[in-house]
Amino acid sequence: AQSVTQLGSHVSVSEGALVLLRCNYSSSVPPYLFWYVQYPNQGLQLLLKYTTGATLVKGINGFEAEFKKSETSFHLTKPSAHMSDAAEYFCAVSRGQAGTALIFGKGTTLSVSS
Amino acid sequence: GAGVSQSPSNKVTEKGKDVELRCDPISGHTALYWYRQSLGQGLEFLIYFQGNSAPDKSGLPSDRFSAERTGGSVSTLTIQRTQQEDSAVYLCASSPLAGGRETQYFGPGTRLLVL
Repeated sequence: AQSVTQLGSHVSVSEGALVLLRCNYSSSVPPYLFWYVQYPNQGLQLLLKYTTGATLVKGINGFEAEFKKSETSFHLTKPSAHMSDAAEYFCAVSRGQAGTALIFGKGTTLSVSS
Repeated sequence: GAGVSQSPSNKVTEKGKDVELRCDPISGHTALYWYRQSLGQGLEFLIYFQGNSAPDKSGLPSDRFSAERTGGSVSTLTIQRTQQEDSAVYLCASSPLAGGRETQYFGPGTRLLVL
């Protein structure tokens, strides 16, 4: 069975600082991994995903994540935070079967201060 | 193009009443998912539809919850005899194809409050 753990329910950074949001997964099959962002009172928007191939994945808004199988991790990073990055971020893993739902982590709220 | 839409955006109901939540997926998307987002439980899968196949109902928390998808498009999630613990944001998502690697596109959600 798949599961996702996001370390840190809240992360605070200064504008211009590195953003690092941690995600570890458990999966009995090769995982498909996703990062979604949720702005207040909105639905979830895909930032990036890993399916196969290159383990460093680049997404929208300058975010990227690296799939590390040996560490069962898929951490999200951005070199320089902007105020507009303040939101809730969810890491998710697909159940790995054809046409199945996502299993989400509990989410990490990112705050950016000026 | 138009994204996933959900209605109503907010719903307040009294305990014991039935509610219906609607989802309009992106045109042409064959897969449709319902999730629930609550403070205590985070984001939970409820039910999944794919084409004409039998839905995957494995995430429904009780038999008070049901859903249907008519004509392979619009879906309705029904909660009967609502309880206070049903208060949550109900999110609908659709994807072009079935499959674990497919991107799911989410609607803005319906915020349900059971008094």
